[in-house]
Amino acid sequence: GAVVSQHPSWVICKSGTSVKIECRSLDFQATTMFWYRQFPKKSLMLMATSNEGSKATYEQGVEKDKFLINHASLTLSTLTVTSAHPEDSSFYICSAISTSGSVRVDEQFFGPGTRLTVL
Amino acid sequence: GENVEQHPSTLSVQEGDSAVIKCTYSDSASNYFPWYKQELGKRPQLIIDIRSNVGEKKDQRIAVTLNKTAKHFSLHITETQPEDSAVYFCAARDSGYSTLTFGKGTMLLVSP
Repeated sequence: GAVVSQHPSWVICKSGTSVKIECRSLDFQATTMFWYRQFPKKSLMLMATSNEGSKATYEQGVEKDKFLINHASLTLSTLTVTSAHPEDSSFYICSAISTSGSVRVDEQFFGPGTRLTVL
Repeated sequence: GENVEQHPSTLSVQEGDSAVIKCTYSDSASNYFPWYKQELGKRPQLIIDIRSNVGEKKDQRIAVTLNKTAKHFSLHITETQPEDSAVYFCAARDSGYSTLTFGKGTMLLVSP
C-alpha cells in the first residue's frame, strides 16, 4: 500500500526559531501534496497545496512567508515554520495523491503528523 | 468553494447498536466522497469512499449512501464495537487532484 512518512513526529522549539517538517511518499510519486493543521478536537484545516516544481498555493489567511513550502521532488515536500511562536503550536499533517503506478490514483494518503510545541 | 457540514458532532452508542453520521455538501461539481477515521494523535485513515456515479457502497459493517440531488451522504456503521470509537471525518472533492474539503468531525464513543 501507499505510505506517507513525516519527520520529525514531534518537535519542541523555542520561540523565534524555525522548524522544518519533511513529508515523503515512500512507494509512489506524488505531484501534489497537501499540508494541514489540526488543533485539538478540531478538523483538518488545509494550509496549502504543494506542487512539484512550482510554487505552493496557500489558503486564505495562511501567511506564505511564515509557512514556507518546498516541493523539490516527486516524493518530498517540506514545510518550514519560520520564527515560530507559541500560537503556531499544533499538529501538522501532510498528505499526498498518487499520480501513477500501482497505487490507486486520486486517493489521498496521510502522513502520521508532526506535533509542534513552541515554548 | 466547497462547504461540508457534518452532524452530529458527538455520538454515543452502546456496543452492538448502529451509528449514522450525516454530511451535506454545497458544490454540485463534487464527485468523490471519502470517510476517514482518526484515532487520537494518529493520522486519518480512509475507511470507505463513494463516487457520484454510485448511490450506495458497503464494506462489511460499514456502508455509505449518497444522494446527489439533495447533496448529502451518510456513513452507517452496524454492530458497533468499542474499537470503532474515534473521530470520523467526511470529505468532498470535485476532481482528482484538487483538495478535499473536510467536515468538522464526529466523535463516536461506543460503550461496552
